[in-house]
Amino acid sequence: EPEVTQTPSHQVTQMGQEVILRCVPISNHLYFYWYRQILGQKVEFLVSFYNNEISEKSEIFDDQFSVERPDGSNFTLKIRSTKLEDSAMYFCASKQRNTEAFFGQGTRLTVV
Amino acid sequence: AQSVTQLDSHVSVSEGTPVLLRCNYSSSYSPSLFWYVQHPNKGLQLLLKYTSAATLVKGINGFEAEFKKSETSFHLTKPSAHMSDAAEYFCVVSPPMDTGRRALTFGSGTRLQVQP
Repeated sequence: EPEVTQTPSHQVTQMGQEVILRCVPISNHLYFYWYRQILGQKVEFLVSFYNNEISEKSEIFDDQFSVERPDGSNFTLKIRSTKLEDSAMYFCASKQRNTEAFFGQGTRLTVV
Repeated sequence: AQSVTQLDSHVSVSEGTPVLLRCNYSSSYSPSLFWYVQHPNKGLQLLLKYTSAATLVKGINGFEAEFKKSETSFHLTKPSAHMSDAAEYFCVVSPPMDTGRRALTFGSGTRLQVQP
C-alpha cells in the first residue's frame, strides 16, 4: 500500500541552526501539506502546496520557514534558524483531489 | 471558516464496553469530516471519513460515526472497546474534498484509555 514517508524520524539541532525535514508523498498525489504538533497540543496547519507553489499558509509559517519540491518526488520543509519553540512533531501529508489526506509517520524535531 | 471542538480531552472505558468520543464542528460550507487515530510514537491513521454521502459512516477496527447536521456533530462510537484502541483520537474538518488546496482543521484530541 502506498504511503507517505518522512525522514529523519528524529532530529536534534542546536538553536539557530537550519534544518530540513524531508517527505516523499504518495506518487500520484497533487496536494502536499506540512502540519506540526507541539508536545501535548493540537495538530496545527503550517502550509499547503499545489502546482509548485504555496496555496495556503498559517500565521506560524513565517519567513523562517520555506517549502520546496525540488525533484518531483520529495517535498521538504526548511527552518532557517531554529528556535526552542520550533520543537515539535512535524507531519507531512499528501492527497489527491477527491481523497482524504494521507499522513507520514512524522519527524520529531528537538531544538536544544 | 471552520472549527472543531472535541468535548472530552480524556475518556476512560473498560475493555468490552462501548466507546463514545464527541465532536462538534462549525463550518460555513458543507464540510468533509474525518476521524484520525494516533497511537503512541506513531503517525496519524485515518479511521473514517464523511464526504456528504451516507450520514452513518463505518471505519476500520469497528469504529463508526454519524454526521448530524442539525446538531453539527460527528461523534465516534464503537460497541466494544479493545485494549488496542488506547490512543489519541482527532476529529478533523475540511472544506469539500475537491478543494484540495485548503487545510484541515484538527480538534484538540481525545485520549482514550482502555482499562482491563
